[in-house]
Amino acid sequence: DTAVSQTPKYLVTQMGNDKSIKCEQNLGHDTMYWYKQDSKKFLKIMFSYNNKELIINETVPNRFSPKSPDKAHLNLHINSLELGDSAVYFCASRFRDRNTEAFFGQGTRLTVV
Amino acid sequence: AQSVTQLGSHVSVSEGALVLLRCNYSSSVPPYLFWYVQYPNQGLQLLLKYTTGATLVKGINGFEAEFKKSETSFHLTKPSAHMSDAAEYFCAVSTNYGQNFVFGPGTRLSVLP
Repeated sequence: DTAVSQTPKYLVTQMGNDKSIKCEQNLGHDTMYWYKQDSKKFLKIMFSYNNKELIINETVPNRFSPKSPDKAHLNLHINSLELGDSAVYFCASRFRDRNTEAFFGQGTRLTVV
Repeated sequence: AQSVTQLGSHVSVSEGALVLLRCNYSSSVPPYLFWYVQYPNQGLQLLLKYTTGATLVKGINGFEAEFKKSETSFHLTKPSAHMSDAAEYFCAVSTNYGQNFVFGPGTRLSVLP
């Protein structure tokens, strides 16, 4: 049983399109994250939710909108995709107040052409 | 706010040699520290973590790290490198009740035959 699962694993799309990436965790965690990993492997936090409430919203274009319908899901919707959005996007989850590690999904490789 | 630096974006060692990957953190409150490994085209896997207690922590695959508060460091070591250790390694920091889970820029480890 996969702890943190993301779909799709690969996403190739044209500039200007709108796309979504879904994330689900079955660990009962109260906090979920989206990270962007660029071509130099740098992991940049984008958003963080705690119990469905947005807590961290780093400097990310408004075209990126996270949605958390419940504690187990955190989806990422991207409007008007640009070439620079090409990256690997990772979802993660953890218990914020138990000093635990973050558990990561396998990533979604987004390629904008 | 917390931050992490990793000295050396790329480290090469010979098979059987000592592995030393450096991590220094900045935190105004007691930190919780983590090392993750990322193999090509995969997600992040936890190697080890320090939260409280013993400052020398052992992880998977023969890795260990020592928390040194006076040096604000959490360097990762392994006595004898194996070819299968070639991967990207990330140090991360969080804090008690902290929402943020921040990664360093990563160090790519190459193991030469």
